[in-house]
Amino acid sequence: SQKIEQNSEALNIQEGKTATLTCNYTNYSPAYLQWYRQDPGRGPVFLLLIRENEKEKRKERLKVTFDTTLKQSLFHITASQPADSATYLCALAGFTGGGNKLTFGTGTQLKVEL
Amino acid sequence: EAGVTQSPTHLIKTRGQQATLRCSPISGHTSVYWYQQALGLGLQFLLWYDEGEERNRGNFPPRFSGRQFPNYSSELNVNALELEDSALYLCASSSGQGGYHSNQPQHFGDGTRLSIL
Repeated sequence: SQKIEQNSEALNIQEGKTATLTCNYTNYSPAYLQWYRQDPGRGPVFLLLIRENEKEKRKERLKVTFDTTLKQSLFHITASQPADSATYLCALAGFTGGGNKLTFGTGTQLKVEL
Repeated sequence: EAGVTQSPTHLIKTRGQQATLRCSPISGHTSVYWYQQALGLGLQFLLWYDEGEERNRGNFPPRFSGRQFPNYSSELNVNALELEDSALYLCASSSGQGGYHSNQPQHFGDGTRLSIL
C-alpha cells in the first residue's frame, strides 16, 4: 500500500543552523509534492510545490529537493529562527482517476532554540 | 483576500447524534476538500467537491457525507457519531487551472474541533 514517512521524532536545532526534514514514500508515483507548515490549533499553510520533473525549488530561506529515483524529498530551512518552530507536513498527489487527492505524511515537529 | 472560513470552531456532541460542519472557500475557488485530523494519525482525506459534484472520496464509511452549494461553500455531515470521530476537521479550497486541479496548492481553514462524549 502507499506510504509516506516523515520522521516522527521532533527535530531540535539551534537558531541560525539549517534544518533538514525528510519525506520518503513507497508504492507511489506522485506527479508533484507539496510542503505545508502547521502550527498548534491551526490549519496547514502551503509553503512550496515541486513537480516530478523538477529537482529543486527555492523560496527565500526554504529549499525543497525531489528525487523520484530515491522516492524522497528533502525540505531545508536555512538560517533557522525560533519562529520557524512548527510541524512540517509533506503531501503527495498524482493524476489518479478521481483527480486531486493529496495524501499527507504525519509531519515532523521542528523546534528552533535560541 | 479572506481565507477559508469554517464554522463552528468547536462542536460537542454525544454518541449517535449527527454533526454538521460548514466551510466557505476563498472567493474564486471552486474546489473544496475535507480532511480529518485525529490525534497521532495525521490528515486523512475525506471528500473532494468541485462545481457542486463529489469528485473523490477517502476511505471513510457512508455516514460521512457532504455537499457543495452553488456559491461553492460546503457542508460536511457526520451521522451516528462514534467516539472515534473526535478529531479536528479541516476544510481546504483550491482553484483550478485548465480543468486540472491537482497541481494547485490547497488553502486550509483552521478547522472545527469535534468532540464526542
